[in-house]
Amino acid sequence: EAQVTQNPRYLITVTGKKLTVTCSQNMNHEYMSWYRQDPGLGLRQIYYSMNVEVTDKGDVPEGYKVSRKEKRNFPLILESPSPNQTSLYFCASSSSVEGSGANVLTFGAGSRLTVL
Amino acid sequence: AQSVTQPDIHITVSEGASLELRCNYSYGATPYLFWYVQSPGQGLQLLLKYFSGDTLVQGIKGFEAEFKRSQSSFNLRKPSVHWSDAAEYFCAVGARGGSEKLVFGKGTKLTVNP
Repeated sequence: EAQVTQNPRYLITVTGKKLTVTCSQNMNHEYMSWYRQDPGLGLRQIYYSMNVEVTDKGDVPEGYKVSRKEKRNFPLILESPSPNQTSLYFCASSSSVEGSGANVLTFGAGSRLTVL
Repeated sequence: AQSVTQPDIHITVSEGASLELRCNYSYGATPYLFWYVQSPGQGLQLLLKYFSGDTLVQGIKGFEAEFKRSQSSFNLRKPSVHWSDAAEYFCAVGARGGSEKLVFGKGTKLTVNP
């Protein structure tokens, strides 16, 4: 089954304790992206990747890191989490044509993160 | 840069009633347009998309949307709502010839009364 898999689905952590949210897709998609969803703010893009070793900042990249060493994986790293990073996180992937906004995203089920 | 406005934060309808969710976009040319649905505790699922051609597009679950260039709108409609349609709906816009980035609206939460 074609899918985007995120782990963990739920996590409660404390301020400053490094964590990684993994994302893996089995569709051979070039494009991958991370979003965070907050009430009243909708989805905001954190980082995206056009292909292996190609990543770029989205709208809200502060406090996050990503890497794309393999095509299928795109982990989101919080080096020193803070309470304002408490949110619902979504990973998504697409086989969009480069340079095109015709981007039909397939989303993971989401990871709910709470930072105390 | 493109932007999206969903004017209604929350809409309540009765089961069997018709539904229209509004979406207005800002972009200098004809954009790519999408509607996604998020059921409680789930990820986002694509309902329908507009790339070109017929301005009335059909999607899954009986939804349709109409692209109106003159009004910069892409409203989502369904003639008869089912209780299972209760969810949050997001309109999104992508730029032609630009980056792959999609810009999402803030969402409209739909409640369906029995």
